Amino acid sequence: EMQLVESGGGLVKPGGSLRLSCVVSGFNFSTYSMNWVRQAPGKGLQWVSFISSSSKYIYYADSVRGRFTISRDNARNSVFLQMNSLRAEDMAVYYCARSNYFDPWGQGTLVTVSS
Amino acid sequence: QSALTQPASVSGSPGQTITISCTGTSSDVGGYKVVSWYQQYPGTAPKLLIYEDTKRPSGVSDRFSGSKSGNTASLTISGLQIEDEADYYCCSYAGSTTFFHVIFGGGTKLTV
Repeated sequence: EMQLVESGGGLVKPGGSLRLSCVVSGFNFSTYSMNWVRQAPGKGLQWVSFISSSSKYIYYADSVRGRFTISRDNARNSVFLQMNSLRAEDMAVYYCARSNYFDPWGQGTLVTVSS
Repeated sequence: QSALTQPASVSGSPGQTITISCTGTSSDVGGYKVVSWYQQYPGTAPKLLIYEDTKRPSGVSDRFSGSKSGNTASLTISGLQIEDEADYYCCSYAGSTTFFHVIFGGGTKLTV
């Protein structure tokens, strides 16, 4: 069974940093691209970032470029999202999801940005 | 990039057929065969229902079908069931040779 488990969310002050992790099992992680997608409370889905299987290609949404960094460790079946200079509008549940197409998804980790 | 346009809500009775539209532009929905649809229940992660405009992953009921005409994609749910009551999101690749982007629709709440 494929599983994606996110962690690292929590409460952080504006301007602060968090590092999210997503550990994968049940498929050959090193052959798949991965994504982060977020959902603000009561709002819709927003794609955040993409990383190819070898980390050669990395892309970001305009709203996070320059503040967030996606990375992966194929030996540890993990993908990460380093989030710096966090803003109130970054508050959301963050999901990792496998490409192509977002399938499957993890259960999400909540990031709260508040003073 | 603006979000794809979906109706905020649709409703139907058990057994009926409903369609949710998703309107974009020739730079996203109309430009590529990459529209996908997701179902989300409150407090849970989304689930892939349709990919590449019309394809259904194994395990997804054949009551769900996707189509596309020009810049508008559609999700049709036939034989509505109570358990279909959820939020539905469309999604499209919206990149080019110079940039990569993915956009979602605003979501549609289906009431059965």
